[in-house]
Amino acid sequence: GAVVSQHPSWVICKSGTSVKIECRSLDFQATTMFWYRQFPKQSLMLMATSNEGSKATYEQGVEKDKFLINHASLTLSTLTVTSAHPEDSSFYICSAGDRGRHQPQHFGDGTRLSIL
Amino acid sequence: AQSVTQLGSHVSVSEGALVLLRCNYSSSVPPYLFWYVQYPNQGLQLLLKYTSAATLVKGINGFEAEFKKSETSFHLTKPSAHMSDAAEYFCAVSEGGSQGNLIFGKGTKLSVKP
Repeated sequence: GAVVSQHPSWVICKSGTSVKIECRSLDFQATTMFWYRQFPKQSLMLMATSNEGSKATYEQGVEKDKFLINHASLTLSTLTVTSAHPEDSSFYICSAGDRGRHQPQHFGDGTRLSIL
Repeated sequence: AQSVTQLGSHVSVSEGALVLLRCNYSSSVPPYLFWYVQYPNQGLQLLLKYTSAATLVKGINGFEAEFKKSETSFHLTKPSAHMSDAAEYFCAVSEGGSQGNLIFGKGTKLSVKP
């Protein structure tokens, strides 16, 4: 079945650094990728939707300058948390849609981000 | 606007007992509905989906769900719980088809007692 690979799975870094998270669709072309944030013991909140070759669409309240999303190819989207602070610590999950097969989104395994 | 309500943030059952996780939705158009399972520190795995075909949907791991339009419900069931079913379960709705934005419920944590 379709696989979405998310990397890294866990990252710890100092406050003020920038962190890049990659989301790859391994066996299909993902025209659309979604980025979610999940706080402990809570549900997933959609941050943004990215379409290959165009700017991401951010949900209300999500700082686009803080969370930079790039979807340069049909198999790769990246989320960069710029100048990260402790309040950015969270679990980030990406998903990818395979429109060609009209299948539901496939989710990556998530990235645990901890900012010290 | 679409929304999902999962009744019960925590459900505990004994191994071998019936599992029932409740989900009610609100949607202005015929919805696509999904159940996902999440194990600790992992992403989401699709259990099953409703896409306007059969109202009783069978998924993986012995789970099934029934779409009831009159009750705006999409409850998840499994006849006999297994220890490996212990996880967080999320119900989600999409108005944009199977590829549309997903709106998730708050999740239900399922515990299975030996």
